[in-house]
Amino acid sequence: KQEVTQIPAALSVPEGENLVLNCSFTDSAIYNLQWFRQDPGKGLTSLLLIQSSQREQTSGRLNASLDKSSGRSTLYIAASQPGDSATYLCAVRSGTYKYIFGTGTRLKVLA
Amino acid sequence: SQTIHQWPATLVQPVGSPLSLECTVEGTSNPNLYWYRQAAGRGLQLLFYSVGIGQISSEVPQNLSASRPQDRQFILSSKKLLLSDSGFYLCAWNIAGGGDTQYFGPGTRLTVL
Repeated sequence: KQEVTQIPAALSVPEGENLVLNCSFTDSAIYNLQWFRQDPGKGLTSLLLIQSSQREQTSGRLNASLDKSSGRSTLYIAASQPGDSATYLCAVRSGTYKYIFGTGTRLKVLA
Repeated sequence: SQTIHQWPATLVQPVGSPLSLECTVEGTSNPNLYWYRQAAGRGLQLLFYSVGIGQISSEVPQNLSASRPQDRQFILSSKKLLLSDSGFYLCAWNIAGGGDTQYFGPGTRLTVL
């Protein structure tokens, strides 16, 4: 059974710091991995999608990597800003319509 | 561009009352549709998905049901709500047959008292 874990559960950093969020999964047989951002009381916004054959994806200050064999993904945020404060969720697609989500990392960037 | 709507945004219902949450997608045809529940401190749990009109798959046994009466409409229902049905309900869609990125609606906050 696929399980997705995100550590740490919460993180506070000063503005301008580069940071890494971690996501691990137990079954390497995945189709892809997706990173989302969720603001309080809101829906999820897709940030990056990495297919199982890819190693990384980049969008602006965000870079996501995938190491399928070790069951790990990282989301790197460069030069963090207060507007980056949110909960970040990763999800793996482990079946045709089956997406398994982690519980998220709640990020606070201090001005 | 595609847009996904959910309503109501918030709902407070007594135990034992019925429930109907609606989700509609604009700007695409024949999407895959999903209902998730997000309980406090827990990850998103997939409740139902649908690949076409009238086609519903349930992921977990529960007090809820789903229907897809039209191509871009997905409804989550219950005949009698339980306290444990409280949570944040999210609808999502992606492109049928290959598009993997999931797009989420704004969610409905349900509180059962």
